[in-house]
Amino acid sequence: GEDVEQSLFLSVREGDSSVINCTYTDSSSTYLYWYKQEPGAGLQLLTYIFSNMDMKQDQRLTVLLNKKDKHLSLRIADTQTGDSAIYFCAEADTGGFKTIFGAGTRLFVKA
Amino acid sequence: EPEVTQTPSHQVTQMGQEVILRCVPISNHLYFYWYRQILGQKVEFLVSFYNNEISEKSEIFDDQFSVERPDGSNFTLKIRSTKLEDSAMYFCASSEAGQLAQHFGDGTRLSIL
Repeated sequence: GEDVEQSLFLSVREGDSSVINCTYTDSSSTYLYWYKQEPGAGLQLLTYIFSNMDMKQDQRLTVLLNKKDKHLSLRIADTQTGDSAIYFCAEADTGGFKTIFGAGTRLFVKA
Repeated sequence: EPEVTQTPSHQVTQMGQEVILRCVPISNHLYFYWYRQILGQKVEFLVSFYNNEISEKSEIFDDQFSVERPDGSNFTLKIRSTKLEDSAMYFCASSEAGQLAQHFGDGTRLSIL
């Protein structure tokens, strides 16, 4: 079945770039997403990329998609302490009626 | 910016009782979803709903669960006879179309005693 894998933790210094990586199994996914979850809060859609794109940039966020390797990454430039959260990689199921989530990467930003 | 709202934010219920979790999706969205996240675990898909019927459901969504859109704005998840293992954060989501990005509410934390 579909699966999404991510590393569990990432620690960076404030001002550095963060790169969160993800691999997925469903090669026919049309959309891939990054969600952010702060403590006690819901899932905030950060950005998404359509599967026919290689890259998408949105202010400090850059998403890279390697379809051949089924690898997705999220780069956060100039990481701030407010970026500390759990980041979920997710893919739209082929049928489009559900989203498959990774386990989430907990980003720690040290001042 | 329009958002998905969920009530209550925290629900405490005795095991065996029925519970109804409520959601108001974004007004022009047509697809509605429920997910759950057991503490420390992945966000898991429960059910999707479109055109007043279930589009897809997971193996978690057994006969104890039901969904309803009782009017033009609310979308509810009912658990008929709660079990301890139903304790989790339940998220409602909605989207304009099936494969477009789903927007999530802040969740209802369900605690079964």
